[in-house]
Amino acid sequence: GQQVMQIPQYQHVQEGEDFTTYCNSSTTLSNIQWYKQRPGGHPVFLIQLVKSGEVKKQKRLTFQFGEAKKNSSLHITATQTTDVGTYFCAGSDMRFGAGTRLTVKP
Amino acid sequence: DGGITQSPKYLFRKEGQNVTLSCEQNLNHDAMYWYRQDPGQGLRLIYYSQIVNDFQKGDIAEGYSVSREKKESFPLTVTSAQKNPTAFYLCASSIYTGGSGADTQYFGPGTRLTVL
Repeated sequence: GQQVMQIPQYQHVQEGEDFTTYCNSSTTLSNIQWYKQRPGGHPVFLIQLVKSGEVKKQKRLTFQFGEAKKNSSLHITATQTTDVGTYFCAGSDMRFGAGTRLTVKP
Repeated sequence: DGGITQSPKYLFRKEGQNVTLSCEQNLNHDAMYWYRQDPGQGLRLIYYSQIVNDFQKGDIAEGYSVSREKKESFPLTVTSAQKNPTAFYLCASSIYTGGSGADTQYFGPGTRLTVL
């Protein structure tokens, strides 16, 4: 199946700083999905990107899908303590990246 | 989230025993999935089913078995052949989009299995 690589593995930021996680696939994806898992919880769907070059925003979160549909990014502007958790990308074959664990210092 | 239940939330078993984890959904989704998550790790696909009475192996199917006799149910059995069964098990469901790949997955709350 497809290999979805995600970086960084960990990110610690001061509250108010920005955060970005990147997802790269070895093959072209039909779509890519992003999920958030709070500590002790289960993954919750955030968004799905389908079109080449697509950009979607959800308040302080910006999601991008690369032109070649092989990479994607999630950017959070001005992080808050409520953003704490692990962010996963998932390719169209149900394989998940390893996740980026975000911690935010108040 | 809402519509998928997994039971029990915590499960303890002795080494060598088979154990079955329950997953039920009322979202009318065709596709269901089982993932395993180890501490600090990502999700690894165990089995998935896109239609009743059919299922496919994922990346780590060895030591596990599933059945899909009803659309709303997809139980996972962790057999004694699984070398390291202690983990967090997550069930998910989604609309099946055929050739377009997986659609949004809705996850259950998970079952934490500890084998003593």
